Amino acid sequence: AQTVTQSQPEMSVQEAETVTLSCTYDTSENNYYLFWYKQPPSRQMILVIRQEAYKQQNATENRFSVNFQKAAKSFSLKISDSQLGDTAMYFCAFSGEGGSEKLVFGKGTKLTVNP
Amino acid sequence: DAGVTQSPTHLIKTRGQQVTLRCSPKSGHDTVSWYQQALGQGPQFIFQYYEEEERQRGNFPDRFSGHQFPNYSSELNVNALLLGDSALYLCASSFRTIYGYTFGSGTRLTVV
Repeated sequence: AQTVTQSQPEMSVQEAETVTLSCTYDTSENNYYLFWYKQPPSRQMILVIRQEAYKQQNATENRFSVNFQKAAKSFSLKISDSQLGDTAMYFCAFSGEGGSEKLVFGKGTKLTVNP
Repeated sequence: DAGVTQSPTHLIKTRGQQVTLRCSPKSGHDTVSWYQQALGQGPQFIFQYYEEEERQRGNFPDRFSGHQFPNYSSELNVNALLLGDSALYLCASSFRTIYGYTFGSGTRLTVV
């Protein structure tokens, strides 16, 4: 069974600075998908960024980028120029290759951006 | 374009009762998945519905059941509620592809 581990329960960063959230996973599959979701106090899970395992190039979405190390089974999220609105819970998630596979989530990292 | 709508937003039930939660998927989506998120934890997969059939199921007891209607909306039913069933229940919809998971804001269930 796949597992996702987020080793940082809480992190904080100053506004405009850069922060990196860590995630490791375990799977025997070769092709799969990885995601970072943001959950603000409104509770809705919002997709931040996704990565296909067969793509060597790291995904980037504006201020958000990932460092995907397939051999190490590591998938970290870097947030540049942090903004107060980035304050939220961040969840790393894994999904198999199938068309509509379930998501396996980590326990999350609570990120606080300080003014 | 409406996203995923869940109702109710909050619910308080007594131990042993039964509860039904509802989800309307995003327009154009045909697959609905349900997740349970206990306080301080990541969401756990309950089950997924596609074409009105349960396609996948997580490690949840039979007290958890669901249904998908022809308009793709879905219900999650929990019988014989336990205190441990208190959680945020999230619904996510997609259109046959992992890229399109959209989550609702959830139903907060409290069992007393």
